[in-house]
Amino acid sequence: GESVGLHLPTLSVQEGDNSIINCAYSNSASDYFIWYKQESGKGPQFIIDIRSNMDKRQGQRVTVLLNKTVKHLSLQIAATQPGDSAVYFCAENQAGTALIFGKGTTLSVSS
Amino acid sequence: DVKVTQSSRYLVKRTGEKVFLECVQDMDHENMFWYRQDPGLGLRLIYFSYDVKMKEKGDIPEGYSVSREKKERFSLILESASTSQTSMYLCASRMLRGGDEQYFGPGTRLTVT
Repeated sequence: GESVGLHLPTLSVQEGDNSIINCAYSNSASDYFIWYKQESGKGPQFIIDIRSNMDKRQGQRVTVLLNKTVKHLSLQIAATQPGDSAVYFCAENQAGTALIFGKGTTLSVSS
Repeated sequence: DVKVTQSSRYLVKRTGEKVFLECVQDMDHENMFWYRQDPGLGLRLIYFSYDVKMKEKGDIPEGYSVSREKKERFSLILESASTSQTSMYLCASRMLRGGDEQYFGPGTRLTVT
């Protein structure tokens, strides 16, 4: 698999590889985190979320990891497929507020 | 399924015009949000509303106002459109106050000439 440093705007992987998209959040009081996928011409769609009392959560082919010590969030996509090509956003939320979004990472998957 | 709809997918307006962007959700959600999305800047929060007739400024409210007269509808108003407001506008709704997924509409691509 291929991993990237924080805040890289683009990530290119081969089909079948594992992808890791990283995100740093700003507010140590944030207690809810979420990853969205946005395909061209569409609104963002929910992928997976995690609350601050957890450090890992798994979905179908996706895993979110939360490291509160360094305020870091990551999204791992297993066996990346061409249909995974999109922009991925992380977002944080503190109870009672709106989601605040990161700038996004464009994932490109080549066959 | 939750559905969030926006009145237009594409809109072209002239500088100085008053512009209304409408958003409707069908799941009785209390919270609604307006974001704008620009290349390299991600999604930035303009205004949000926790309930009918309530509104809160987000990070970039200047040049915008909102209206929430009914629970299902949240309108974004550009009082006097400017070219700097050319952008993708995204509406979202959420059931609870904090700690839950926000559902997004398809977006309105607004061009101000």
